[in-house]
Amino acid sequence: SAVISQKPSRDICQRGTSLTIQCQVDSQVTMMFWYRQQPGQSLTLIATANQGSEATYESGFVIDKFPISRPNLTFSTLTVSNMSPEDSSIYLCSVGQRGNEKLFFGSGTQLSVL
Amino acid sequence: GQQLNQSPQSMFIQEGEDVSMNCTSSSIFNTWLWYKQDPGEGPVLLIALYKAGELTSNGRLTAQFGITRKDSFLNISASIPSDVGIYFCAGNSNAGGTSYGKLTFGQGTILTVHP
Repeated sequence: SAVISQKPSRDICQRGTSLTIQCQVDSQVTMMFWYRQQPGQSLTLIATANQGSEATYESGFVIDKFPISRPNLTFSTLTVSNMSPEDSSIYLCSVGQRGNEKLFFGSGTQLSVL
Repeated sequence: GQQLNQSPQSMFIQEGEDVSMNCTSSSIFNTWLWYKQDPGEGPVLLIALYKAGELTSNGRLTAQFGITRKDSFLNISASIPSDVGIYFCAGNSNAGGTSYGKLTFGQGTILTVHP
């Protein structure tokens, strides 16, 4: 499985500010996936990040709120913009194998918004 | 959208006991996955299942892909304290295109093991 490094591992932010989360993979991958896990909840896909094209967002998530960059095949960033307390969650980066049938996850970024 | 119903929501067991949890869906999935999440960590893949009826083991863990492709179960035998955590099932419909990588997750089973 790929080694996925995410940073920061946690942060406490003020309402109205933005936070950029970085994800580094130890091998080249075509697609990277960003998930959100709200407190005590399951995981929900935010968007798929393809190298060389714009990210594809799931229903309920928009680019203005969660801009994503994918500058190369081993790196991606997710920004949580204009944060509110409702954005307090764990944000997880993931990559796939077997045509992305199965995913491996980074250790996540625990975000708390005050 | 697709939903997975995972049960039980939580389990409190004694060390050495066997554990069973399952997931059901109203829709068909082509891949079933089981993950374990420890506090402050991302989910770790335990077992992946790719075809209906498949039974796969990983140490003390055994999982099966239901014949109808709408359910899966995970068994843990002879539980130990380090089995504590949240277990998630996940399904992948593999509908193609942007659906790849879109896993539908169950709500999780919180497992507590008393020494």
